[in-house]
Amino acid sequence: GQQVMQIPQYQHVQEGEDFTTYCNSSTTLSNIQWYKQRPGGHPVFLIQLVKSGEVKKQKRLTFQFGEAKKNSSLHITATQTTDVGTYFCAGVFGGANNLFFGTGTRLTVIP
Amino acid sequence: DTEVTQTPKHLVMGMTNKKSLKCEQHMGHRAMYWYKQKAKKPPELMFVYSYEKLSINESVPSRFSPECPNSSLLNLHLHALQPEDSALYLCASSQAGGGNQPQHFGDGTRLSIL
Repeated sequence: GQQVMQIPQYQHVQEGEDFTTYCNSSTTLSNIQWYKQRPGGHPVFLIQLVKSGEVKKQKRLTFQFGEAKKNSSLHITATQTTDVGTYFCAGVFGGANNLFFGTGTRLTVIP
Repeated sequence: DTEVTQTPKHLVMGMTNKKSLKCEQHMGHRAMYWYKQKAKKPPELMFVYSYEKLSINESVPSRFSPECPNSSLLNLHLHALQPEDSALYLCASSQAGGGNQPQHFGDGTRLSIL
């Protein structure tokens, strides 16, 4: 069936180091969204990417959508302790009309 | 603070009980969602309401019964649940359905089935 996998599953970084999570779909996505969920919290929308090859930046966060629209990445520069949480990508498969969440990457930042 | 309000925050119930989860939003959103999230897992879509009509049911067991009384409210009625139904139940809303709008989530109801 259709799947959205994220790697790595877990990542521990020293504060100030960079972090990247990768999102891979088994089929083409019409769009992809990224959410952050803090421990004990709820998912919070970060960004949406729609176009092939699209790159968007939010301060220290850089989001990319692959040329084939089957993968995406989130890169955080110089992590801070406030970046702790689980980052989910969520995509819409072509022809579908609902979001399918990826498996998530749990980020721990060591002060 | 979240713009989607869910009550109760915590719920413990027996397998024979009947209870309801409630969700409210006043952002004028026309799509509302129920998700189930187990620990260390992603949210799993259960139901989608679009313009107060059920548009998606992801093969959810009938012991979960959704209801959308009006465009601001979404309920999830629970009956004869099983221990494996223990999870965080998240409500979300978006301007429209279709998966191409940001979804705003509530804090969730943490449900425990004894």
